[in-house]
Amino acid sequence: DGGITQSPKYLFRKEGQNVTLSCEQNLNHDAMYWYRQDPGQGLRLIYYSQIVNDFQKGDIAEGYSVSREKKESFPLTVTSAQKNPTAFYLCASSTKGGYTEAFFGQGTRLTVV
Amino acid sequence: DQQVKQNSPSLSVQEGRISILNCDYTNSMFDYFLWYKKYPAEGPTFLISISSIKDKNEDGRFTVFLNKSAKHLSLHIVPSQPGDSAVYFCAANYGGSQGNLIFGKGTKLSVKP
Repeated sequence: DGGITQSPKYLFRKEGQNVTLSCEQNLNHDAMYWYRQDPGQGLRLIYYSQIVNDFQKGDIAEGYSVSREKKESFPLTVTSAQKNPTAFYLCASSTKGGYTEAFFGQGTRLTVV
Repeated sequence: DQQVKQNSPSLSVQEGRISILNCDYTNSMFDYFLWYKKYPAEGPTFLISISSIKDKNEDGRFTVFLNKSAKHLSLHIVPSQPGDSAVYFCAANYGGSQGNLIFGKGTKLSVKP
């Protein structure tokens, strides 16, 4: 089945540690995105990538880093510089260009303990 | 500043009646609009979209209306069913570019049997 897989579904991190969230897609999509959702908030864009080896900062990129070494994969690292990392993280992908919907993974709930 | 606004955090309707979810946008460059449905702890799923060359798009029980002069769109669900209870997000982008989706904060719909 084609789709986007995020792992793990739940993740706990100690303060001061970096953690990497996985996102893999087999939809042959060029574009991939990371969003963050907080209670009562919409989805806010962290980073996006339209092509392999290239990515752009979104609205809330501080404290996060990404890589796009393969078309299928777009991992997100939450660094210790991120002040409020506890949130629900969503990865999405779409065909390149506009007039198209993005498909989302099931999300990763990150909790800092 | 929010470019996509969903001013009603919640909406409650009776099963079988019409649900109307509203969305306003401020950026006149947006030319592609989407609605997503989201259950708790899951990723959003695409419902329906509309480009700015149209003023209506229908898919089964779901209809999206676009009023460009008012920078307003709405999602109508007829008839509403208990399974429609979820958070609905409005999103917009510059369809002709490689831009990303800008989301509203969502409206939680509760359909009562």
